[in-house]
Amino acid sequence: DAGVTQSPTHLIKTRGQHVTLRCSPISGHKSVSWYQQVLGQGPQFIFQYYEKEERGRGNFPDRFSARQFPNYSSELNVNALLLGDSALYLCASSRRQGSQETQYFGPGTRLLVL
Amino acid sequence: EDQVTQSPEALRLQEGESSSLNCSYTVSGLRGLFWYRQDPGKGPEFLFTLYSAGEEKEKERLKATLTKKESFLHITAPKPEDSATYLCAVGFRYSGGGADGLTFGKGTHLIIQP
Repeated sequence: DAGVTQSPTHLIKTRGQHVTLRCSPISGHKSVSWYQQVLGQGPQFIFQYYEKEERGRGNFPDRFSARQFPNYSSELNVNALLLGDSALYLCASSRRQGSQETQYFGPGTRLLVL
Repeated sequence: EDQVTQSPEALRLQEGESSSLNCSYTVSGLRGLFWYRQDPGKGPEFLFTLYSAGEEKEKERLKATLTKKESFLHITAPKPEDSATYLCAVGFRYSGGGADGLTFGKGTHLIIQP
């Protein structure tokens, strides 16, 4: 089975611009989570979507938004880009089985803001 | 606030030299302790999930254990291909929307020299 896919792989933007990142989950997974990973740090939770609804949000400003589509794919949008938004953006998909849920990550999108 | 601390930050071993990586955590309502492997520029690769103190899991040269306050990742007779950053994360659930997120440590950068 195909794993989590993300596009694009790399992106260069300038301050103030807007960016859209895309994610397709593993087949059968209905939940998608987004994480930001800056160099030298662990991933930091941004959002989780399940069945097209936002289920949780980390400590990120309103410039960050996301949505999930009927086929469970997802988009992460970031407005008014800042230099500090430069990071690896990771998408993870999961399927809850009872009380257990494991998140499987995609390869990420490397965003550089100049 | 949930916290995850990994040590050491970096570890250099000779091929065949066994060692352990530590992950200490403080969390209210643990919903799993996760270990991931991350190669440079790639997304985290799932290794193990542990749910209760005393639980152990093994995969090839890796063995993960869990106590009430920490987890260890034991690496037995490592090979150069085991070189990577190993990330520890604790699962949490948002009380509002029911999202299941992960809080990560900064990781241990492991180098295995031939």
